[in-house]
Amino acid sequence: DTEVTQTPKHLVMGMTNKKSLKCEQHMGHRAMYWYKQKAKKPPELMFVYSYEKLSINESVPSRFSPECPNSSLLNLHLHALQPEDSALYLCASSPGLAGGPVTYEQYFGPGTRLTVT
Amino acid sequence: GIQVEQSPPDLILQEGANSTLRCNFSDSVNNLQWFHQNPWGQLINLFYIPSGTKQNGRLSATTVATERYSLLYISSSQTTDSGVYFCAVRGYGQNFVFGPGTRLSVLP
Repeated sequence: DTEVTQTPKHLVMGMTNKKSLKCEQHMGHRAMYWYKQKAKKPPELMFVYSYEKLSINESVPSRFSPECPNSSLLNLHLHALQPEDSALYLCASSPGLAGGPVTYEQYFGPGTRLTVT
Repeated sequence: GIQVEQSPPDLILQEGANSTLRCNFSDSVNNLQWFHQNPWGQLINLFYIPSGTKQNGRLSATTVATERYSLLYISSSQTTDSGVYFCAVRGYGQNFVFGPGTRLSVLP
């Protein structure tokens, strides 16, 4: 099974709302990632978790707050977003340690399409 | 950080045609993946190929790490091959970086 699941598929939220995106994998992978993808652009890395610890934060604004409750789950908490945060948010996982000398194949979920009004 | 270029940026093919997509990268890499992003946004793994040659059906890929490029070959293209093809690389001690993509349209 090489599946990464993400919920919800679509999300519309106002700038004062608080919402969360959820990502789950059951492949025993120890690294999990959040990416942001704007229209007609490639995905850009936001956060990396390795063994449930945040190892990389690519200077992401604090209105995005990641959480890794266990090795299978990754959340992204959203608060006070701006319209320019509207994008496709992609979760990925890989078997290997993020940031180490060897990382392995990344598997992506289907994404959550977020619209901020 | 590592720079990734992909060519061509856009490609229009007639069904049944063959094509070659190229990915150039600016530094040594220890990971390289090719993805197909379908119209719904799903990134589909095509190849994990930091070096060497692999084939999967109508698709094949070659990475020449010493010369810092990778090629993706699509033969007998089908309309379902349409979408964006991304190359993503990881340099030693760095994070994954995606290239800008090649947008492929296969016409019936």
